Amino acid sequence: AQSVAQPEDQVNVAEGNPLTVKCTYSVSGNPYLFWYVQYPNRGLQFLLKYITGDNLVKGSYGFEAEFNKSQTSFHLKKPSALVSDSALYFCAVREGLAGANNLFFGTGTRLTVIP
Amino acid sequence: AAGVIQSPRHLIKEKRETATLKCYPIPRHDTVYWYQQGPGQDPQFLISFYEKMQSDKGSIPDRFSAQQFSDYHSELNMSSLELGDSALYFCASSLSRYSNQPQHFGDGTRLSIL
Repeated sequence: AQSVAQPEDQVNVAEGNPLTVKCTYSVSGNPYLFWYVQYPNRGLQFLLKYITGDNLVKGSYGFEAEFNKSQTSFHLKKPSALVSDSALYFCAVREGLAGANNLFFGTGTRLTVIP
Repeated sequence: AAGVIQSPRHLIKEKRETATLKCYPIPRHDTVYWYQQGPGQDPQFLISFYEKMQSDKGSIPDRFSAQQFSDYHSELNMSSLELGDSALYFCASSLSRYSNQPQHFGDGTRLSIL
């Protein structure tokens, strides 16, 4: 069974500082990992994905994430936070192509960037 | 770029009524997913369709049904509505069930049950 854990409900960071939003996962087989961002009253916007290849994945709006197989983690990072990055962030996992294709989401982390 | 279109954006119903939510996927996307997001919760997978056939089934109540039509749009039909059905309902689409491409989400339908 798949599962995703986002240990922090809330992350606060000062504008211009680096940010990290943590995610760990559990899945049988090879994981497909995703990060989505949700703004108020909006749908989830895709940020980046890890399927295979380089452990460091670059995505939209300057975000990147590092896949660590031994720690089963996929933390989201950004070198310099912007106030406009304040939103709800979801980590998600699905099995490889042979498994069910729906996403399992973490409980979300609310990021607040303080001016 | 074209996105996933959901209608209506907001819907208010009373208990025991029925509701139909519509989803129009991104052009050329043949796979559609439905998710339910309760207040302050993460999205929960309900059901998906690939090439007009049901693909996977999640925590969809028996009171709900869904289908995908020949033009790939999908409808979620909800009957005997309960207060607990109040939530944001998202539709997502992807290029193929067998693709590693991401799912793209619509802005959702906010369903309120009075």
